Amino acid sequence: EAQVTQNPRYLITVTGKKLTVTCSQNMNHEYMSWYRQDPGLGLRQIYYSMNVEVTDKGDVPEGYKVSRKEKRNFPLILESPSPNQTSLYFCASSLFGSSDYGYTFGSGTRLTVV
Amino acid sequence: GESVGLHLPTLSVQEGDNSIINCAYSNSASDYFIWYKQESGKGPQFIIDIRSNMDKRQGQRVTVLLNKTVKHLSLQIAATQPGDSAVYFCAENSGGSNYKLTFGKGTLLTVNP
Repeated sequence: EAQVTQNPRYLITVTGKKLTVTCSQNMNHEYMSWYRQDPGLGLRQIYYSMNVEVTDKGDVPEGYKVSRKEKRNFPLILESPSPNQTSLYFCASSLFGSSDYGYTFGSGTRLTVV
Repeated sequence: GESVGLHLPTLSVQEGDNSIINCAYSNSASDYFIWYKQESGKGPQFIIDIRSNMDKRQGQRVTVLLNKTVKHLSLQIAATQPGDSAVYFCAENSGGSNYKLTFGKGTLLTVNP
């Protein structure tokens, strides 16, 4: 089944404790992206990657890192999480260079930083 | 404690009625638009898309209308069912090297049986 898989689904952590949210897609998509979703603010892009070893900042990159060492994986790293990073996070992928720019989303990771 | 309100536009319809969800987009250079459905606890799911060289596109029970003059997009759902209850987002692709989709804030559709 074609899908984007995120882990974990739920995570509660303490301020300053490094964490990684994993994202993997099995559709051979070149484009991958991370979004956060907050009440009243909608979906905002954190980082994106157009191919292996190519990543760039989205609209709200502060406090986040990403890497793209393999085509299928795009982990989101919070080196020192803070409470304002409490949010619902979505990974998405898209077939790049085709006429279809629609994203396939993962099921989301709900992160709480205390 | 009470969380900050979603302040989402809401639409409540009776089962079997038609629903129309509206969206104003911001960038006149956007050339591709998508409607997504997000059910509680799930990620957004693709419903239907439309390119800027079209003004109407139909799917199964859904129709998207695009009015580029006023930068307006609408999603029509025919014979709305309880399973259609969800938050609906429009998204625009404004081109450029990022291929980023910019999402609207969403509309909460509630279908009453």
